[in-house]
Amino acid sequence: EIVLTQSPDTLSLSPGERATLSCRASQSVSSSYLAWYQQTPGQAPRLLIYGASSRATGIPDRFSGSGSGTDFTLTISRLEPADFAVYYCQQYGGSPSTFGGGTKVEIK
Amino acid sequence: EVQLLESGGGLVQPGGSLRLSCAASEFTFRPYAMTWVRQAPGKGLEWVSAISGSGSDTYYADSVKGRFTISRDNSKNTLYLQMNSLRAEDTAVYYCAKDDGYSGNYEAFDIWGQGTMVTVSS
Repeated sequence: EIVLTQSPDTLSLSPGERATLSCRASQSVSSSYLAWYQQTPGQAPRLLIYGASSRATGIPDRFSGSGSGTDFTLTISRLEPADFAVYYCQQYGGSPSTFGGGTKVEIK
Repeated sequence: EVQLLESGGGLVQPGGSLRLSCAASEFTFRPYAMTWVRQAPGKGLEWVSAISGSGSDTYYADSVKGRFTISRDNSKNTLYLQMNSLRAEDTAVYYCAKDDGYSGNYEAFDIWGQGTMVTVSS
């Protein structure tokens, strides 16, 4: 099973700042089958990024994904109030699919 | 609006059973694989089970294999999860999600329901 480790656990930033979230895999994620999801309190997760760098439908371009192999990054270029949430990475190139533990982006 | 609506959650005693349903609307249900993901209170996400668009292939996490059964009725646009021999550690919000492909493998989840809470306790 591929273990995903997200860092940091919590990121304290102000609106307008840049957020950089990391996701590291215990082994290489094949074909960049890596996704990012956003979850706000009491809500279901929402797909942001798939294939490591492709934005899902309707996702604003301030969200971007990068990386390959074992190291992946989600960048939010300028934080807006709605972006303060928990973010999860997921690999779906190995069986079973696994999620990281999440990074909480909170208002500083 | 594209929507997934779960139902069937509730309080059940250890060793008991529940059947979750997930009704899909406003998209073509049949060809797409579907998945169940759960989230224990205050915890992260855990993949539980997936089924191909045709229903011929099913996949399970080791933690539920032999106890849970995923199925679908494409004529009713509905996904199911039969949960037997429930344990306290199965307590979670259960989400159904639409895969962005047909097989149940190598796919992200592009539409999610709002979830249904399952509590296993005496």
